[in-house]
Amino acid sequence: GAGVSQTPSNKVTEKGKYVELRCDPISGHTALYWYRQSLGQGPEFLIYFQGTGAADDSGLPNDRFFAVRPEGSVSTLKIQRTERGDSAVYLCASSLATFASGGATYNEQFFGPGTRLTVL
Amino acid sequence: QQPVQSPQAVILREGEDAVINCSSSKALYSVHWYRQKHGEAPVFLMILLKGGEQKGHEKISASFNEKKQQSSLYLTASQLSYSGTYFCGTEEYQSGAGSYQLTFGKGTKLSVIP
Repeated sequence: GAGVSQTPSNKVTEKGKYVELRCDPISGHTALYWYRQSLGQGPEFLIYFQGTGAADDSGLPNDRFFAVRPEGSVSTLKIQRTERGDSAVYLCASSLATFASGGATYNEQFFGPGTRLTVL
Repeated sequence: QQPVQSPQAVILREGEDAVINCSSSKALYSVHWYRQKHGEAPVFLMILLKGGEQKGHEKISASFNEKKQQSSLYLTASQLSYSGTYFCGTEEYQSGAGSYQLTFGKGTKLSVIP
């Protein structure tokens, strides 16, 4: 079946410009996550949606970053007044929580290929 | 605070075994393991829950010591395709349940050579 898709795969922009990054999750997955990954590092959490609402946006670095998921499926990460330090691979993941027999929740996340953002 | 992974890098010959460790200072709800090849997305390998349940790929095994907040990933009879960077992602406890967000370690680079 189709996995998580992200567009564009690469985005080059100039400092100060506005960019939008799109994520299309696995069909039926209610949770959607945005992470960013710098070279040689693990993914860093940005924001998590459950349905249409942002359940946890504690990872957004500042108010230049904003994300929406208006219909509970596709999400857009928006970055205003881009800075060179925003350059990274932006990863999207989705999940569908399922219950284990003991009552705990499985929440394995499936990642998209990422958008490589370069701010010149 | 991100979990600490060890070793940072390891080189194996085909057929050899390896153990990758992940240690957190936080009380954990679950530990997730991923493998990432250069320029590709992280691929899900295994999830281990507090309480002992787990699921993942058949050829991968892992353990989760809840008291020590540590997890280990066991790679046996390694193949060339096992090469990549392995990340653990930890999910903390939040209000009696998981936090859903993952905090990743810096990764362990595994190279398998013929």
